[in-house]
Amino acid sequence: SAVISQKPSRDICQRGTSLTIQCQVDSQVTMMFWYRQQPGQSLTLIATANQGSEATYESGFVIDKFPISRPNLTFSTLTVSNMSPEDSSIYLCSVGYLAGSSPPTFGQGTRLTVV
Amino acid sequence: DQQVKQNSPSLSVQEGRISILNCDYTNSMFDYFLWYKKYPAEGPTFLISISSIKDKNEDGRFTVFLNKSAKHLSLHIVPSQPGDSAVYFCAASPGYNAGNNRKLIWGLGTSLAVNP
Repeated sequence: SAVISQKPSRDICQRGTSLTIQCQVDSQVTMMFWYRQQPGQSLTLIATANQGSEATYESGFVIDKFPISRPNLTFSTLTVSNMSPEDSSIYLCSVGYLAGSSPPTFGQGTRLTVV
Repeated sequence: DQQVKQNSPSLSVQEGRISILNCDYTNSMFDYFLWYKKYPAEGPTFLISISSIKDKNEDGRFTVFLNKSAKHLSLHIVPSQPGDSAVYFCAASPGYNAGNNRKLIWGLGTSLAVNP
C-alpha cells in the first residue's frame, strides 16, 4: 500500500490566519482525499482532489474555506483559510479505493489548534 | 445523525482474553465495511474489511462478523495483546457494489485498553 507523508504534524495558529497542509505519496495516485476529525467527532470527508481538475467538495465544505491544490499525481495541499477556533481539528489525507487492491491509506494527520 | 454508531467509547480487557468491538449502522445501502486502528499521533491503519455478501472474514487474530438483518458488525480480537491498545474505528461504504468506491462513513471510535 502507498506510504503517505503529511506535514506539519501539528500547529498552533492565530485566528484569522491560514495554514497549508502538505501530503506527499510515494506512488502516483489518481485521487487523494482530505478528511477532518473534529474533537469528539468521527472522520468526515472534506473533498476529493483530482490531478488536473478542480477538487470535488462534500456538502458543508467550500473551496473558499478549504482550497486544495493537486499539481501532480503524488502531491496535494489543503489550506484552512481564515481560521477560527472551530477549525481546531485533526486533518488527514488519504489515498486508495475501496474497489482497488488496497484499502484507503492515511497520512499521520495534522493536529491543528486555533487560538 | 450518526449513520455508523460505535456505542462503547471505551473497552478494557485482560491480555490473552477476547476483545469484542461493536458497530451498528442505520443505512441499509451500506455494503462494505472496514475496521481501522489508530494509535496516538498516527493516522488510521487498515485492519480488516468485509463485504455484505459475507457474514464473516478472518485474518489472524482478527475476525469481523456481519449481521445484515440486525445492521450490526463486530470485531473480535483473540487473543488480545497489549499492543492492540488503540482506538478502533468502524467505517462503512454506501454503494460499493454500485461503483461508489471512495466515500466512507465513520463511527466515533472505541478506545481499547489491553491490560497485561
